[in-house]
Amino acid sequence: DAGVIQSPRHEVTEMGQEVTLRCKPISGHNSLFWYRQTMMRGLELLIYFNNNVPIDDSGMPEDRFSAKMPNASFSTLKIQPSEPRDSAVYFCASSFQVGLAGETQYFGPGTRLLVL
Amino acid sequence: DAKTTQPTSMDCAEGRAANLPCNHSTISGNEYVYWYRQIHSQGPQYIIHGLKNNETNEMASLIITEDRKSSTLILPHATLRDTAVYYCIVRVRGSSNTGKLIFGQGTTLQVKP
Repeated sequence: DAGVIQSPRHEVTEMGQEVTLRCKPISGHNSLFWYRQTMMRGLELLIYFNNNVPIDDSGMPEDRFSAKMPNASFSTLKIQPSEPRDSAVYFCASSFQVGLAGETQYFGPGTRLLVL
Repeated sequence: DAKTTQPTSMDCAEGRAANLPCNHSTISGNEYVYWYRQIHSQGPQYIIHGLKNNETNEMASLIITEDRKSSTLILPHATLRDTAVYYCIVRVRGSSNTGKLIFGQGTTLQVKP
């Protein structure tokens, strides 16, 4: 298995531009998570989906951030317009949840975003 | 989810056992203890989890005290590749809030030759 795949791995953009981060979860997994990591705030959960439905988006910082999961094998996290304070590493993770079992989350390599 | 307390940093000699403590004095009866680690520039990696019994897998052992207020992650023979930030997380499994992993600052383990 290729694991969780994220693209791009690195992104440099200018303030005000739209940024789209992409994630392909592990095949067969039914939950997907987006995290953000900064030196100041550590690792924070932004949003997670279960069976393609957003369950908890309370971590999404503001309306400039949006996430979609159109099917079980793809998700996007979009920032529009981007700001320098959005610079961070964004991780996608997936898991297979059935009742009480199988909630181990597998993380992708991350996308390093720099907004100038 | 219960709050956890971990030392900021620890050192360990290569080949020796690394014992990483975690306090979770407000843990509830239905909350599990999870350990993840993050090697520099990589995504977090699951290590092990447990409820009240000690657990062991190919990566580590987890020792949970009888009152469940603290636990210790043991890496039996630490290698340089085990240098990472180790996160102790407590959470309920199978609840409506089941997805959330709340990461603290973790313990930075430095394995030295």
